[in-house]
Amino acid sequence: GENVEQHPSTLSVQEGDSAVIKCTYSDSASNYFPWYKQELGKGPQLIIDIRSNVGEKKDQRIAVTLNKTAKHFSLHITETQPEDSAVYFCAAVTGTASKLTFGTGTRLQVTL
Amino acid sequence: EPEVTQTPSHQVTQMGQEVILRCVPISNHLYFYWYRQILGQKVEFLVSFYNNEISEKSEIFDDQFSVERPDGSNFTLKIRSTKLEDSAMYFCASIYASPNTGELFFGEGSRLTVL
Repeated sequence: GENVEQHPSTLSVQEGDSAVIKCTYSDSASNYFPWYKQELGKGPQLIIDIRSNVGEKKDQRIAVTLNKTAKHFSLHITETQPEDSAVYFCAAVTGTASKLTFGTGTRLQVTL
Repeated sequence: EPEVTQTPSHQVTQMGQEVILRCVPISNHLYFYWYRQILGQKVEFLVSFYNNEISEKSEIFDDQFSVERPDGSNFTLKIRSTKLEDSAMYFCASIYASPNTGELFFGEGSRLTVL
């Protein structure tokens, strides 16, 4: 089955700096890659996603890039703010499978 | 905004007891899920449910687990005889169409503590 690796496990940046989180996946049939933000005590919430026919997608301060050849995708957050502090999970969906396979999570801390 | 609701938010139980976790998915959604997250670890898939039957389940979802959609609104996860290692946050999720079409909506979770 699909296996998703995520790095780093923790990331501390100063407010205003950029943050980058990287994921790799194993199944070349994976075709959908969402990113979820999880705040303390809450369920994961989708922040951005990308499909396998697209190399990059941007939504305000958040962008995601996908390299299908290398089987990796990355989340980029620019101009970080304290409210960006949370755990971020990447995920992958393989073909017509009915499930998301999540990465191990990155705890992002944005300091003042 | 529509949301997935889960009850209870926290349940404490003794090992060997049965537990039922309840979820009300978003009303027009067709695919329903249970995921779990052991403290500090990643979110793990347990089971997916579509058209009144299980469409996929993980190795974690053994005979001790079952799911049911008893009426048009509720979706339940039952653990027949809880073990210490079942202690985790359990998330219900739903989506209108298949999961590669868009956002999977998660509830806020039910924390299960097995003593």
